[in-house]
Amino acid sequence: EVQLLESGGGLVQPGGSLRLSCVASGFTLSSTAMSWVRHAPGKGLEWVSAISASGTNTYYVDSVRGRFTISRDNSENTVWLQMDSLRAEDTAIYYCAKEYSAWSFDYWGPGVLVSVFS
Amino acid sequence: QSVLTQPPSVSAAPGQKVTISCSGSSSNIEGNYVSWYQQIPGTAPKLLIYENNKRPSGIPDRFSGSKSGTSATLGITGLQTGDEADYHCETYDTTLNVRVFGGGTKLTVL
Repeated sequence: EVQLLESGGGLVQPGGSLRLSCVASGFTLSSTAMSWVRHAPGKGLEWVSAISASGTNTYYVDSVRGRFTISRDNSENTVWLQMDSLRAEDTAIYYCAKEYSAWSFDYWGPGVLVSVFS
Repeated sequence: QSVLTQPPSVSAAPGQKVTISCSGSSSNIEGNYVSWYQQIPGTAPKLLIYENNKRPSGIPDRFSGSKSGTSATLGITGLQTGDEADYHCETYDTTLNVRVFGGGTKLTVL
């Protein structure tokens, strides 16, 4: 059974940092690209970042580029999202998602809450 | 403001059919595949439709997807109370170079 489990969320002040982890099981992580998607209160889903299967290529939405860093270790079945210089507008539930076919995700983790407040 | 436009809410009675629209542009929906997700409040999104009209294993054929030009549509027949959820469309925008989602549509089964 495919499972994704995020951790590392919490409350942080503006300018602070958090590191989210996503542990994968039930499939070969090294075979698939992975993404982080967030859902802010009262807004639609927003794709945040993606990493290729090998980890060679990374992608970011403009609003987080230069502040967030995505990485992975396929031997540890883990994907990370390092979030620095956090802002109030980064407050959201963050989901780890497994790439499926073109522009779709077939599995999502339960999500982790990141709350940035002063 | 989402790049893809969905109606905020739709409603229908049990057993009826409902459609949810997703409107975009030539830089996103028209040239790329569309996916649809169901999200029950408090849970993660679930893939319902990919590549415009394909259903993953385990998704009943009550759910269907279509695309025409710059718009896509999710159809749900034989509505059940368990279908009450938020529905999101997704595609890729070749001008913005990002994956984009609609604002989500809340389905109420009266």
